[in-house]
Amino acid sequence: EAEVAQSPRYKITEKSQAVAFWCDPISGHATLYWYRQILGQGPELLVQFQDESVVDDSQLPKDRFSAERLKGVDSTLKIQPAELGDSAMYLCASSFHAPSDTQYFGPGTRLTVL
Amino acid sequence: DAKTTQPNSMESNEEEPVHLPCNHSTISGTDYIHWYRQLPSQGPEYVIHGLTSNVNNRMASLAIAEDRKSSTLILHRATLRDAAVYYCILRRGETSYDKVIFGPGTSLSVIP
Repeated sequence: EAEVAQSPRYKITEKSQAVAFWCDPISGHATLYWYRQILGQGPELLVQFQDESVVDDSQLPKDRFSAERLKGVDSTLKIQPAELGDSAMYLCASSFHAPSDTQYFGPGTRLTVL
Repeated sequence: DAKTTQPNSMESNEEEPVHLPCNHSTISGTDYIHWYRQLPSQGPEYVIHGLTSNVNNRMASLAIAEDRKSSTLILHRATLRDAAVYYCILRRGETSYDKVIFGPGTSLSVIP
């Protein structure tokens, strides 16, 4: 069964350093989502792509976060510089096309900022 | 703010049915009701979704109120593997964009 791939699974970094997360969605899925999940809370949408275009990045802290999906397939989320409050699980999900389509989530990247 | 409200936590005995409620009083006519669950240390996984009629699949059943302002996810026989956080979210059925909003969900504990 096809899965959403994410790497790395775990990342420990010091504050002010740069970090990057990678996501490979299920083949053929046009929509890609990046979420941040703080322990004990539900996932919070950071950015949503439709193919290579950003549909929504209203919750993305753009002074330090950036996301790209250059060829409309895999995607990278970057944080520079990392802050202590960025410690969280970063989840990637993809769906076929329409907003009501089922989202398939990856295993996530657990980020710890020291 | 989340468009849905759910109890923070629920408990169930193993092999008993579980009814997980969700309120969505501001639902619009084109909103689908989706349920996801998140096992410890994993990403969320899809459980079921519906629009107006009750739905069944191999994982669960979804009962939707006639006015669509609430729904209930039904696990027919809870197992220890069903211990997870369950999220109820709304997704617009049109092709226009809608923001995905997850609330804190319901943490289900299953007692052996």
